[in-house]
Amino acid sequence: QKEVEQNSGPLSVPEGAIASLNCTYSDRGSQSFFWYRQYSGKSPELIMFIYSNGDKEDGRFTAQLNKASQYVSLLIRDSQPSDSATYLCAVNGQDDSWGKFQFGAGTQVVVTP
Amino acid sequence: DGGITQSPKYLFRKEGQNVTLSCEQNLNHDAMYWYRQDPGQGLRLIYYSQIVNDFQKGDIAEGYSVSREKKESFPLTVTSAQKNPTAFYLCASSLRLAGEYSYNEQFFGPGTRLTVL
Repeated sequence: QKEVEQNSGPLSVPEGAIASLNCTYSDRGSQSFFWYRQYSGKSPELIMFIYSNGDKEDGRFTAQLNKASQYVSLLIRDSQPSDSATYLCAVNGQDDSWGKFQFGAGTQVVVTP
Repeated sequence: DGGITQSPKYLFRKEGQNVTLSCEQNLNHDAMYWYRQDPGQGLRLIYYSQIVNDFQKGDIAEGYSVSREKKESFPLTVTSAQKNPTAFYLCASSLRLAGEYSYNEQFFGPGTRLTVL
C-alpha cells in the first residue's frame, strides 16, 4: 500500500511566524507532489506543486522536495490568521497509477494572533 | 466562469436508496475523479476517468458506480450496497497533458455532503 504521511497537528503558529509542514511518501518512483489547503467544510484548493529536488517559492509559500529522503515540505512565511486551515499533501502515482493521487490525512494549522 | 460544479450541496439518503451526485466541469479537462473524505481523514479515491466512455476503480469503489458519457460530466451513484455512505464527496478534474511536463494538477469542485438518515 503506497502511503503518504503527515503530522495531524494541530500546529499552532504565532501570527507573523513561519509554519513548517512535512510530508513523507513511500513510493520512491513518485515524480510530482502537491500541496492543497482546505478550510473547514470546504473543498481543497491547490497551493503549489513541485517536481524537482530543491525549493520552489510562490509568494509566502515555499515547497521543498527531497526525493532521496522521500519527503516534501511546505513553509508558510509571515503566517496570517487566514492561513488557519488543514494542509493536504498529495503524491502522483507513476506508470499504471499515473494520475492517481495518494493524499495524506492533512496537517491542521492554527495561526494565533 | 470556468470551473467544476457539484450538486446538490447537501443530500440525505434513506436506507436502501440509491442516490446520484452530479459533477460537471467546463474546463475542457480530460480526466475526472471522485473522492470521499471522512472526518479527520484524507481523501480516498472512488473512481476516476481519463477519457470519455472509460473509467477505472479507485481504492474504495465497492458500493459506487459511475458513467462518463460526456467529457464534461462524471456522475457518481451511491448504491444501497454502500453500507456507510455518510461522508463529504469531492469531484476533481485535471488536464491530462502528454509528455514530460504533465503534472496533472487536480482541481476540486465544492463538494456534496451526503448523510444517511
